[in-house]
Amino acid sequence: QQQVKQSPQSLIVQKGGISIINCAYENTAFDYFPWYQQFPGKGPALLIAIRPDVSEKKEGRFTISFNKSAKQFSLHIMDSQPGDSATYFCAARKDLDSNYQLIWGAGTKLIIKP
Amino acid sequence: NAGVTQTPKFRVLKTGQSMTLLCAQDMNHEYMYWYRQDPGMGLRLIHYSVGEGTTAKGEVPDGYNVSRLKKQNFLLGLESAAPSQTSVYFCASRKDKTYNEQFFGPGTRLTVL
Repeated sequence: QQQVKQSPQSLIVQKGGISIINCAYENTAFDYFPWYQQFPGKGPALLIAIRPDVSEKKEGRFTISFNKSAKQFSLHIMDSQPGDSATYFCAARKDLDSNYQLIWGAGTKLIIKP
Repeated sequence: NAGVTQTPKFRVLKTGQSMTLLCAQDMNHEYMYWYRQDPGMGLRLIHYSVGEGTTAKGEVPDGYNVSRLKKQNFLLGLESAAPSQTSVYFCASRKDKTYNEQFFGPGTRLTVL
């Protein structure tokens, strides 16, 4: 009930292509879904986030698509660039009783080939 | 602003040794977290704090202790290190319960031999 399943584990995309990373959850009480980006040797940093009352959120080349009925959400990176090469984590926020902790996916290592 | 800093950056311990990891933040954030990151397992919460003087257990607290005596510092202790605690440890802070973003430090790579 508390897991967030992320796929694929790794992804190689050509420069200019679309990168797609998927996450699925089971707990319908989750109410906030962020994506974090982590470069080698650095800590994760918030990239983009969505709440379940909207189906899509776009920030520049990054888009979250959210399917509440399927309990799935995905990150789309348009016109992928070598600088986007990083590990991406999806997460879901638990409820107030747990002080709004995040439950994290296992991560996707994205490599953009020039 | 330095944001979230962690000390040390790297450490090698022998089984049974103890050590303390220090996390400091200069953003006046209420919430602080300690995570461990292992390949293929994402981030797992060890302990967290919702304010000065408070601590709570996360998903994987066994073998670790924490203290938050000052608002800006969050210490993670390993009393008797084990090889299973070899990992990269991240500290994060968050302003308070009304703000969702967590700000992460650069991590500490710990190896237990």
